[in-house]
Amino acid sequence: NAGVTQTPKFRVLKTGQSMTLLCAQDMNHEYMYWYRQDPGMGLRLIHYSVGEGTTAKGEVPDGYNVSRLKKQNFLLGLESAAPSQTSVYFCASSPKTGTGGYEQFFGPGTRLTVL
Amino acid sequence: AQSVTQPDIHITVSEGASLELRCNYSYGATPYLFWYVQSPGQGLQLLLKYFSGDTLVQGIKGFEAEFKRSQSSFNLRKPSVHWSDAAEYFCAVGLYSGGYNKLIFGAGTRLAVHP
Repeated sequence: NAGVTQTPKFRVLKTGQSMTLLCAQDMNHEYMYWYRQDPGMGLRLIHYSVGEGTTAKGEVPDGYNVSRLKKQNFLLGLESAAPSQTSVYFCASSPKTGTGGYEQFFGPGTRLTVL
Repeated sequence: AQSVTQPDIHITVSEGASLELRCNYSYGATPYLFWYVQSPGQGLQLLLKYFSGDTLVQGIKGFEAEFKRSQSSFNLRKPSVHWSDAAEYFCAVGLYSGGYNKLIFGAGTRLAVHP
């Protein structure tokens, strides 16, 4: 199994450009997440999904949109990139449980630079 | 509100020395606790987790962590550090909130290992 994969691995954008990050998982997990990682701030949740066709806002959703048309895929979109969105983006997935007692599985990350 | 504090931003140890990384959490109920490691340019990998039972948990790569409820701590330890342990380490609390599994991350501790 590949686990959680992300494309692309690196991307450089100019301010105002748009792009979509793709996350795919082959573990049949219900929950999927998008995080951003910035120095000294750990990981912050952007958006998440509890199942196909459903998405919700996390801690820092402004400037991002997401879609989950298929259970295995979770897309993160930037409609008009800003330098403040320069970051490393991680996708994660986890099984559906009624407790917090299950780890999330992370992808390798996408390093995005906005000039 | 739930939170995780990792008091040490950077730690440097010599190869072969012992290691302890600190983690304190704030959470009203019995927590689910995790330690993740992020090697340079990589995603997050689960080192170990605590759900209940024995307060000393063993993980991969020779790491262990001890849950101390009275101190709200979950410190990570390794008796003898290897150069390959140089990485960033994240402590996290897991909970089920708002209808999904949620992870609250600390800001991370970056470990450097001197030969």
